Amino acid sequence: GAVVSQHPSRVICKSGTSVKIECRSLDFQATTMFWYRQFPKKSLMLMATSNEGSKATYEQGVEKDKFLINHASLTLSTLTVTSAHPEDSSFYICSASRGARGNTIYFGEGSWLTVV
Amino acid sequence: DAKTTQPNSMESNEEEPVHLPCNHSTISGTDYIHWYRQLPSQGPEYVIHGLTSNVNNRMASLAIAEDRKSSTLILHRATLRDAAVYYCALFDGSSNTGKLIFGQGTTLQVKP
Repeated sequence: GAVVSQHPSRVICKSGTSVKIECRSLDFQATTMFWYRQFPKKSLMLMATSNEGSKATYEQGVEKDKFLINHASLTLSTLTVTSAHPEDSSFYICSASRGARGNTIYFGEGSWLTVV
Repeated sequence: DAKTTQPNSMESNEEEPVHLPCNHSTISGTDYIHWYRQLPSQGPEYVIHGLTSNVNNRMASLAIAEDRKSSTLILHRATLRDAAVYYCALFDGSSNTGKLIFGQGTTLQVKP
């Protein structure tokens, strides 16, 4: 069964509003969580790495003020897309790791965001 | 960040072995090699990962070149359910907070 769960799986929001996506590790403590964005027929693009209790590390070109990432507990990380615009519409995927080197990294089911 | 290169697509016949290659010539000594597969509109599914030695699990085998600049994912008997996009990714294991970078993926088609 799934060990990393995302919610919601699909969300539609109006342009200018904010939307939050949750990522939970279900049966392990995730010291590190990753957020990816994926466009149709393209590979996964890493947006940021979040470590529990500290600020997220964003990849070059990712706007940290638009994509707010919070990792407040060892089982929950959230991605908030602020002031969403149609170009933010995408498939967002999180993954989680126990943090130690060499451990398996599990992915959530993904969340489709459509901004209208 | 080290980069991976994969063929865009491959075809296989059902019940035959499949060898999916990945080049990672700039891999560093602490990078782990991960393989995932993805179906449309789903998150990636973990397949296998390794550092230096070949690895086997119930899904597949991972053969890592001696110089670690390439690896091959081996599906021993392809089934129709194995049709997916297969991604080779490198995880920077130099610290406990490394990151997983994906290649462009290989679309595997399995013919009955």
